[in-house]
Amino acid sequence: DTEVTQTPKHLVMGMTNKKSLKCEQHMGHRAMYWYKQKAKKPPELMFVYSYEKLSINESVPSRFSPECPNSSLLNLHLHALQPEDSALYLCASSQGTASSYNSPLHFGNGTRLTVT
Amino acid sequence: GENVEQHPSTLSVQEGDSAVIKCTYSDSASNYFPWYKQELGKRPQLIIDIRSNVGEKKDQRIAVTLNKTAKHFSLHITETQPEDSAVYFCAARRRKSSGDKLTFGTGTRLAVRP
Repeated sequence: DTEVTQTPKHLVMGMTNKKSLKCEQHMGHRAMYWYKQKAKKPPELMFVYSYEKLSINESVPSRFSPECPNSSLLNLHLHALQPEDSALYLCASSQGTASSYNSPLHFGNGTRLTVT
Repeated sequence: GENVEQHPSTLSVQEGDSAVIKCTYSDSASNYFPWYKQELGKRPQLIIDIRSNVGEKKDQRIAVTLNKTAKHFSLHITETQPEDSAVYFCAARRRKSSGDKLTFGTGTRLAVRP
């Protein structure tokens, strides 16, 4: 059981497809994150949303487009991906408020993406 | 930016023995240091964290120590059990006005032999 829910669990897409990854949390957290994790590697930060605004973009290629429709939802839109983009995509959230300094990250179970 | 080094990359111990994993960080302004456990095919899960105003923290068989002067912190697992087998990641974070950024170490694969 996890408090951060990601869908789908698995996704296979071609290089010309458009797909979206979804993430939802109902813990009242105000910071949400996308991480990419390749096999046997640590998670790599892609984006951070704070109070529904994009606050960090780690120079991610434009074929990845994040969206935060409201404080509970985070999407990652995918278009024209490459085979090397195949990885586990993890969503995370944290309290992210000024009064919750250094609150821990809670990860979802991830979406395992395969680009063919 | 922050750089976190983690050692060893693999660790094998006998059940009941202790395991120690060490990390060093580069940014002296980092002030939050969590440890995550990731089992095969699963999400990283926080097992313990420490803030820079504390030198040591314990939670049952798990403890973390922090040396701010030397910029290193360590995870100690005592009385290891087979279910402790997993990949462990240390991380460091510095609060910035642009948002919190957590930098992970490269991971340690721990195997506990029954």
